Amino acid sequence: GAGVSQSPSNKVTEKGKDVELRCDPISGHTALYWYRQRLGQGLEFLIYFQGNSAPDKSGLPSDRFSAERTGESVSTLTIQRTQQEDSAVYLCASSPRGGYEQFFGPGTRLTVL
Amino acid sequence: KQEVTQIPAALSVPEGENLVLNCSFTDSAIYNLQWFRQDPGKGLTSLLLIQSSQREQTSGRLNASLDKSSGRSTLYIAASQPGDSATYLCAVSHRNTGNQFYFGTGTSLTVIP
Repeated sequence: GAGVSQSPSNKVTEKGKDVELRCDPISGHTALYWYRQRLGQGLEFLIYFQGNSAPDKSGLPSDRFSAERTGESVSTLTIQRTQQEDSAVYLCASSPRGGYEQFFGPGTRLTVL
Repeated sequence: KQEVTQIPAALSVPEGENLVLNCSFTDSAIYNLQWFRQDPGKGLTSLLLIQSSQREQTSGRLNASLDKSSGRSTLYIAASQPGDSATYLCAVSHRNTGNQFYFGTGTSLTVIP
């Protein structure tokens, strides 16, 4: 079946612009995660959605970062007024109801000039 | 905060060798531990998930062990192949925040034909 998909695969933007990244989880997966991976570093947790519950936003680095998810479908991660330190690969993962194994998308590589 | 460390950062072995990758974590109150591989420019592929009540999991040539009391996990790869070349990441989730995963920075493995 189809895995987790993310778009765009690459995004180059200028400092100060807003960007929107999209994640399509595996159909039927109730949990959705966003991570950031800077060059040469490990993954940093950003935000977690579980069904219709309030999201866990504890990993968002600043108020310039926000994410939305409608029900158990698509999620968008928005970064406002981008800075050069936002350059990274943004990874999305989903998990099925009652499960903890995470299935990752290919990521979006964001470059802020 | 949970800290996850992976040693070595890089490893190069000839084809056919058995090898062990190490993962250590500072807080033993984990919920589960997951091993992934990451290929260049791609997302993460789940290899093995060990629940906190388990000691090990096996899949094909891979065997992952978990020792919560010492804060360690190992990933054993038998009869390594060039196709095993990738970065291997371990991630742990905490008992009180089961949805938030903490990742190590990975071990970059190269299997030489």
